[in-house]
Amino acid sequence: DTEVTQTPKHLVMGMTNKKSLKCEQHMGHRAMYWYKQKAKKPPELMFVYSYEKLSINESVPSRFSPECPNSSLLNLHLHALQPEDSALYLCASSQDGGGTGFADTQYFGPGTRLTVL
Amino acid sequence: AQRVTQPEKLLSVFKGAPVELKCNYSYSGSPELFWYVQYSRQRLQLLLRHISRESIKGFTADLNKGETSFHLKKPFAQEEDSAMYYCALRDFKGGSQGNLIFGKGTKLSVKP
Repeated sequence: DTEVTQTPKHLVMGMTNKKSLKCEQHMGHRAMYWYKQKAKKPPELMFVYSYEKLSINESVPSRFSPECPNSSLLNLHLHALQPEDSALYLCASSQDGGGTGFADTQYFGPGTRLTVL
Repeated sequence: AQRVTQPEKLLSVFKGAPVELKCNYSYSGSPELFWYVQYSRQRLQLLLRHISRESIKGFTADLNKGETSFHLKKPFAQEEDSAMYYCALRDFKGGSQGNLIFGKGTKLSVKP
């Protein structure tokens, strides 16, 4: 399996809802990432997990809560979101995650398109 | 500061014409650079990485450290090349652990 999968494909939620986005990879990668991508903009890094530990949090509001239950899974728990949080949420994985000095390619999932009403 | 600049938001060419998507970077040290492509309604996918010196779908990109550039080129554009192209730099500075910094992207439109 050489893909990163994400569920759901689309999600519509109200500002009081609690929902979760899921990401899965079976490539044996030890680094996983969450990005947010607004329309016609580049992806913006939110979180990085390396060997199942949160290594980077790019000052993301606490209404976004990541979780890495094991090396193949990455969740993003959503609570009390705002309409401006509507975006495409991308998950990515890479072999190692950093500090190795060689090109550690990130592979992206198809994304979850989130709409907050 | 680490930065990736793609000066063109939109590049429009005719089928069969050469195409060059520009990317300049700012990085102190040896950069690791990538081109990612996002076709309409498809996932962001890796096109090229400079370390591999490869040609994918007819595209090539050469790292020019003197000009701090990593331009993407194809001699004869095809309609199916129409997509959003992002240049990206791996950032190892300031505890970033090799995370990607993306340029703002260039939308390539290839007309018949």
